[in-house]
Amino acid sequence: GAGVSQSPSNKVTEKGKDVELRCDPISGHTALYWYRQSLGQGLEFLIYFQGNSAPDKSGLPSDRFSAERTGGSVSTLTIQRTQQEDSAVYLCASSPGSPGDTQYFGPGTRLTVL
Amino acid sequence: AQTVTQSQPEMSVQEAETVTLSCTYDTSESNYYLFWYKQPPSRQMILVIRQEAYKQQNATENRFSVNFQKAAKSFSLKISDSQLGDTAMYFCAFMKHWGFGNVLHCGSGTQVIVLP
Repeated sequence: GAGVSQSPSNKVTEKGKDVELRCDPISGHTALYWYRQSLGQGLEFLIYFQGNSAPDKSGLPSDRFSAERTGGSVSTLTIQRTQQEDSAVYLCASSPGSPGDTQYFGPGTRLTVL
Repeated sequence: AQTVTQSQPEMSVQEAETVTLSCTYDTSESNYYLFWYKQPPSRQMILVIRQEAYKQQNATENRFSVNFQKAAKSFSLKISDSQLGDTAMYFCAFMKHWGFGNVLHCGSGTQVIVLP
């Protein structure tokens, strides 16, 4: 079946603009995660959804970052008033939703803030 | 807090040879999961292998195998008969067992370069 998809693949924006990143998880997966990966680094957790609710938003770096998930499926990560330090690859992962389930990743969105 | 350490930033290996990537982790949890993910230039993180901490038997997936030493908190990955397509960044990751929404904690990665 289809894997996790993300769009856009690449996004270049100017400092101060808002951006929206989209994630479409594997069908039937109730858990959805957003991570950020800066150049040459590992993963930085941003937010976790179980269904449409976000029990853990602890990783969002500032109030400029927000995310929502609708219909238990697609999720959108929004970054307002982008800053150069927001430049990174944003990865989305989904899992069936039970403890210990493997997370499956999308191809990521590379965000460049000029 | 969980930390994952990969001490080898880069490793090169000749095609058809074997390479071993090291990973250590720190946790107070007794039950957890460990993973190796591969990230080629396409950016997508691809699951290579998964190990449940309560299983003593080391996981194996075709040419990939792990050496899991729970007491030493060590989880190395062996790639046998290396192929050019194995060239990628490899991340070791830890996840708690209990509860929902368990986050993956990754190391900084090891770049593997397979030479023809």
